[in-house]
Amino acid sequence: QVQLQESGPGLVKPSETLSLTCTVSGGSVSSGSYYWSWIRQPPGKGLEWIGYIYYSGTTNYNPSFKSRVTISVDTSKNQFSLNLSSVTAADTAVYYCARDRSGTYGCDYWGQGTLVTVSS
Amino acid sequence: DIQMTQSPSSLSASVGDRVTITCRASQSISSYLTWYQQKPGKAPKLLIYFASTLQSGVPSRFSGSGSGTDFTLTISSLQPEDFATYYCQQSYSTPQTFGQGTKVEIK
Repeated sequence: QVQLQESGPGLVKPSETLSLTCTVSGGSVSSGSYYWSWIRQPPGKGLEWIGYIYYSGTTNYNPSFKSRVTISVDTSKNQFSLNLSSVTAADTAVYYCARDRSGTYGCDYWGQGTLVTVSS
Repeated sequence: DIQMTQSPSSLSASVGDRVTITCRASQSISSYLTWYQQKPGKAPKLLIYFASTLQSGVPSRFSGSGSGTDFTLTISSLQPEDFATYYCQQSYSTPQTFGQGTKVEIK
């Protein structure tokens, strides 16, 4: 059974960088069939796609984040990570990592989500 | 970006009712449409992908249809565990985008 688990600080100060890691178990980030995604959900609101990474390191980001976002993968640790720089209160959200099937058939496994609050 | 619009935003229904949720894309997305169910405090759960393919383990009372710009999620007989928020998502092009959600509440 594939499992994903987000980890990282729950509180980040404005203008700093939000950093989260997703650890995958029961499967491999090196599998060629999947993209590894980050999706967020502000409190009480809908879902927003941040981007994804392929095991080779190829990435695809939501342009709405401009140059603030970086997703990386560490195949040796079976993890992938999200960095979001210059955060503001608008970045307060539950952040989910998920496994996307080929970038076309939806995310079939998700982490439980982690709430990140941006506040001084 | 492709805009996804769901309707209605919320609905009230009773156990046993047939429920239909619509999702419209701002341009053709072929059949690259996924439906998710989300319960409070939980991650979304994949129900249907490629517009009409039922995800393994999902009850057969859920079905999806459509292609191009107009899509439908149908719950044939609403069960107590189906009260949740439903989202559509297009994966035809990046950035992937979601509908705003449809909350299904108990009447």
